[in-house]
Amino acid sequence: DAMVIQNPRYQVTQFGKPVTLSCSQTLNHNVMYWYQQKSSQAPKLLFHYYDKDFNNEADTPDNFQSRRPNTSFCFLDIRSPGLGDAAMYLCATSKGQGVTEAFFGQGTRLTVV
Amino acid sequence: GDSVTQMEGPVTLSEEAFLTINCTYTATGYPSLFWYVQYPGEGLQLLLKATKADDKGSNKGFEATYRKETTSFHLEKGSVQVSDSAVYFCALRDSSASKIIFGSGTRLSIRP
Repeated sequence: DAMVIQNPRYQVTQFGKPVTLSCSQTLNHNVMYWYQQKSSQAPKLLFHYYDKDFNNEADTPDNFQSRRPNTSFCFLDIRSPGLGDAAMYLCATSKGQGVTEAFFGQGTRLTVV
Repeated sequence: GDSVTQMEGPVTLSEEAFLTINCTYTATGYPSLFWYVQYPGEGLQLLLKATKADDKGSNKGFEATYRKETTSFHLEKGSVQVSDSAVYFCALRDSSASKIIFGSGTRLSIRP
């Protein structure tokens, strides 16, 4: 039973062409995260939502935006993808502040051509 | 700020060998600690967790003990299998925050 679902699993986009990655959850969790993971590196937090409150990491480029229209869905928009944005993008959820772990989706592998 | 430091890989072992992957952390509060595992092309799966000092997390033969005095959370397994080959990430979450911070990951390869 998938709990955090990312679509698509693989996405190919052209250099400079806007692209949107999606994430949905069936866990009713308050927090949704977007991480970027490049090959052989740790996941890097881009931003997260606590309910409707958006929290951007200081070093996240302006090229990356996010939307959370409701509890279940969260989107990552890359306005003008560059070759350096090719990566695995991971969505995760957690219940809220405190001791609880995050639950991850299977990721979307983004290729920029 | 909070941070996690893991031993660098890759780590290559023979099947049935004993495994230790070191993890230490820096945190201002009282974090929860996690080990996640990532198989090729997949997202991260929670392997085990500990939420307070001296707690031991365990799952699938893996164990880790939350040591506040040494700020460590080392991952151990007594007898590894080929199927344990993956990348392992140590992570923490501060009790007052939503962010989860990951270490750099350790790639583990097990030879038959």
